[in-house]
Amino acid sequence: GAVVSQHPSRVICKSGTSVKIECRSLDFQATTMFWYRQFPKKSLMLMATSNEGSKATYEQGVEKDKFLINHASLTLSTLTVTSAHPEDSSFYICSATLYSGRAGTDTQYFGPGTRLTVL
Amino acid sequence: LAKTTQPISMDSYEGQEVNITCSHNNIATNDYITWYQQFPSQGPRFIIQGYKTKVTNEVASLFIPADRKSSTLSLPRVSLSDTAVYYCLVGGMNTGFQKLVFGTGTRLLVSP
Repeated sequence: GAVVSQHPSRVICKSGTSVKIECRSLDFQATTMFWYRQFPKKSLMLMATSNEGSKATYEQGVEKDKFLINHASLTLSTLTVTSAHPEDSSFYICSATLYSGRAGTDTQYFGPGTRLTVL
Repeated sequence: LAKTTQPISMDSYEGQEVNITCSHNNIATNDYITWYQQFPSQGPRFIIQGYKTKVTNEVASLFIPADRKSSTLSLPRVSLSDTAVYYCLVGGMNTGFQKLVFGTGTRLLVSP
C-alpha cells in the first residue's frame, strides 16, 4: 500500500512556542491531505482538509489562526500549531488520498501520527 | 456525511472468526465503505474497502447487503495481535476528494 510519513513522531515544547508537523506521501502524489487530532481513548477528529495550491478548509470549531496548514507540494503538507498551550497536547495524524483512477476505489492512507506535548 | 454506528467493544479468543457490523442507514449512492484498524499511538491502517456485495483480501472480508445500510467486517482466525480499534467509515467522491468522519470505532480484545 501507499506510505504516508510524519515528522516528528513526537515533540515536547514549552507553552507559547510554535510547532511544525510535516506530512509526506512517499510514493504517490496527493492533491488532498487531511489533518486529524486524537485524544486518549477517543476517536479521530477531522481538523481540516489541506488542498495543494489553495487554502485549507477547516472544520467547524477549529481555529485557522491557531492551526496553520500549508500544502506546498503534491507530496507535502505541514501543520503548524502556533503559540501552543497545554490543551493543544494531543496526537496529530495526517492522511492522504491515493487516487486509483477508477470511481469509488480511491483510498485514504494515514501517517503514523505525531505526539505533541506542551509543557 | 453518513453517520456510522458500531458496537463499542467486542471480545474474542485466538483462532475464532470475528464479525464486526456497522450500521450506516443514511449512506449515499456515491458513498463507499472503508474499514481501518488502529493500534495505540499509531495512525489508522487500511484494511478493506467496498461498495456492494462481498470483497475479500488477504486479511479480511467485507460483506455489504443489497440495501447497503450496513456492512460486516469479517476477520478469520484472529490472533492476539488483532487486538485493536476498528473503524467503519463511509464516504464518497465529491469534487475530487474523500472526506472521512470517524465514529466511535469498535475496540476488539482478543484473549488467549
